[in-house]
Amino acid sequence: RKEVEQDPGPFNVPEGATVAFNCTYSNSASQSFFWYRQDCRKEPKLLMSVYSSGNEDGRFTAQLNRASQYISLLIRDSKLSDSATYLCVVKVDRSGGSYIPTFGRGTSLIVHP
Amino acid sequence: DADVTQTPRNRITKTGKRIMLECSQTKGHDRMYWYRQDPGLGLRLIYYSFDVKDINKGEISDGYSVSRQAQAKFSLSLESAIPNQTALYFCATSADGQHLHFGNGTRLTVT
Repeated sequence: RKEVEQDPGPFNVPEGATVAFNCTYSNSASQSFFWYRQDCRKEPKLLMSVYSSGNEDGRFTAQLNRASQYISLLIRDSKLSDSATYLCVVKVDRSGGSYIPTFGRGTSLIVHP
Repeated sequence: DADVTQTPRNRITKTGKRIMLECSQTKGHDRMYWYRQDPGLGLRLIYYSFDVKDINKGEISDGYSVSRQAQAKFSLSLESAIPNQTALYFCATSADGQHLHFGNGTRLTVT
């Protein structure tokens, strides 16, 4: 089982829609959780960190559920410019306390007019 | 100027050749990472370094080696390239192991 799992999609939604992605992780001791955004053939860029209390940045809301070992990303009022791949990142213990950022495969979002 | 610079941006090489991908950073971060990205597989960690002379294997280190010559430089080598090493390679840095800052990537094709 992969350590960090995401539905690859694509999620195809109209402008203005609300869309949500989930990401599950296998190691309950994982620390620190993030969502990155990657445009086609470009480098990933940090979108937001994810906390148990939930956090919001404009139209984006991220949530961590430690009991069920998943994180979520909600995008409200989708824009054409939101079209991208969204990567879930979890810090996983690689060896004796070294927590390393580990990526999911990414979820593709296509927002159409 | 980019804070994390990868060279070359694109490279085509033949099977069996030795090649080196370079990464340099001006962010002053101690932690540096090499990932490869394949379609449908996301980013997978090859090697990482927390400081000069600190080298650690990632999940897919076979066929690769690295060198951390200075805090600002982290090079990835393919001793004898093979076609299944064709991929997009990213270098990343981090100050605290939290947020990653990526270079623009190197697109490598092995024929």
